[in-house]
Amino acid sequence: AQSVTQPDIHITVSEGASLELRCNYSYGATPYLFWYVQSPGQGLQLLLKYFSGDTLVQGIKGFEAEFKRSQSSFNLRKPSVHWSDAAEYFCAVAAGNTGFQKLVFGTGTRLLVSP
Amino acid sequence: GAVVSQHPSWVICKSGTSVKIECRSLDFQATTMFWYRQFPKQSLMLMATSNEGSKATYEQGVEKDKFLINHASLTLSTLTVTSAHPEDSSFYICSARDPGTPKETQYFGPGTRLLVL
Repeated sequence: AQSVTQPDIHITVSEGASLELRCNYSYGATPYLFWYVQSPGQGLQLLLKYFSGDTLVQGIKGFEAEFKRSQSSFNLRKPSVHWSDAAEYFCAVAAGNTGFQKLVFGTGTRLLVSP
Repeated sequence: GAVVSQHPSWVICKSGTSVKIECRSLDFQATTMFWYRQFPKQSLMLMATSNEGSKATYEQGVEKDKFLINHASLTLSTLTVTSAHPEDSSFYICSARDPGTPKETQYFGPGTRLLVL
């Protein structure tokens, strides 16, 4: 069965510094990969997604992610973090054996932004 | 992007009562909706898949008689927590698949926080 690992429970970054959130997945075929962001007490907002093609995916709010098949990774990056980026970030995978219906989420990474 | 709403945003109820949560897709028709549960500081766990016009498919370990799901129209799914108990207190989030988007991307509602006293 597919699974997602986000090894960092929380990360603190200075405002203006670069950010990379790690995500590793386990799935035999090419997965469909997603990054979502959740602000406190809110639902999830889709940042970006990868289905096929260019392995570097651009998303909203200046985020990007790179799919690396050899490393089974889909890390999220942002060149310059803003205080408003403080939130919980979830990586998710949808697999073909479920008709790409079911999303399996990682445990999330909480991003703290320091002044 | 597609918009999914939930109502209510939060609810407090007494133990033993039932609570209904609505999930609506506002600008698209969703044949499939999903219900998730999220405990504090934890990830989302899929509870069930709701298909319009048919019975919901529940994940292993989720009591279907406890969490009743109805998807009577293409824009509305409801989750009813029956005979709620304090351990049912949680953050419930729905999502809807937009068939008009590539690979039918899921869009999430803002969530409903349930507190059972």
